[in-house]
Amino acid sequence: GENVEQHPSTLSVQEGDSAVIKCTYSDSASNYFPWYKQELGKRPQLIIDIRSNVGEKKDQRIAVTLNKTAKHFSLHITETQPEDSAVYFCAASWDTGNQFYFGTGTSLTVIP
Amino acid sequence: NAGVTQTPKFQVLKTGQSMTLQCAQDMNHNSMYWYRQDPGMGLRLIYYSASEGTTDKGEVPNGYNVSRLNKREFSLRLESAAPSQTSVYFCASSDTGAGGAFFGQGTRLTVV
Repeated sequence: GENVEQHPSTLSVQEGDSAVIKCTYSDSASNYFPWYKQELGKRPQLIIDIRSNVGEKKDQRIAVTLNKTAKHFSLHITETQPEDSAVYFCAASWDTGNQFYFGTGTSLTVIP
Repeated sequence: NAGVTQTPKFQVLKTGQSMTLQCAQDMNHNSMYWYRQDPGMGLRLIYYSASEGTTDKGEVPNGYNVSRLNKREFSLRLESAAPSQTSVYFCASSDTGAGGAFFGQGTRLTVV
């Protein structure tokens, strides 16, 4: 099965700085990579995703990059704000069957 | 739209008791999932259902059973609860091949 590794497990940044979270996956058949944000006590919510035929995708202050050759993908948050503080999860899946395999999460703290 | 609704939100069980977690989605999604979330371990797949009438084991199926009652509903049953099953359980659904998973609000289960 797929194995998704995520780093770092915790990350603290000053407000306004950038944050980068990195994930690697093992199964070259994976072709869909979503990112989720989970605030304390809440459900994970999809914030951005990328498919294997795209190298980069951006949505306002967040962006995701994918390197299929190296089997890694990253989440970039620019101009961080206190409300960005949460746990972020990466995931990998493939269309057939569509199981999602999650990383172990990154706890991001934005210091005002 | 309610999205994904799961009940109950909280439950305390004694070791050996049984219970069923209920989940329903109103997004006409084909795929449904049950995950458990434990500190530092991310989201681990218990069972999933790629379509009505089919179910498959995920990473951690031992001690659980599931039923895909119809396209909307996917239940998770603990036949004989153990303290190791203390966790937060999330139900999720997705449209096969069309995007990320949407999560319910979670069930916090404590087995004493």
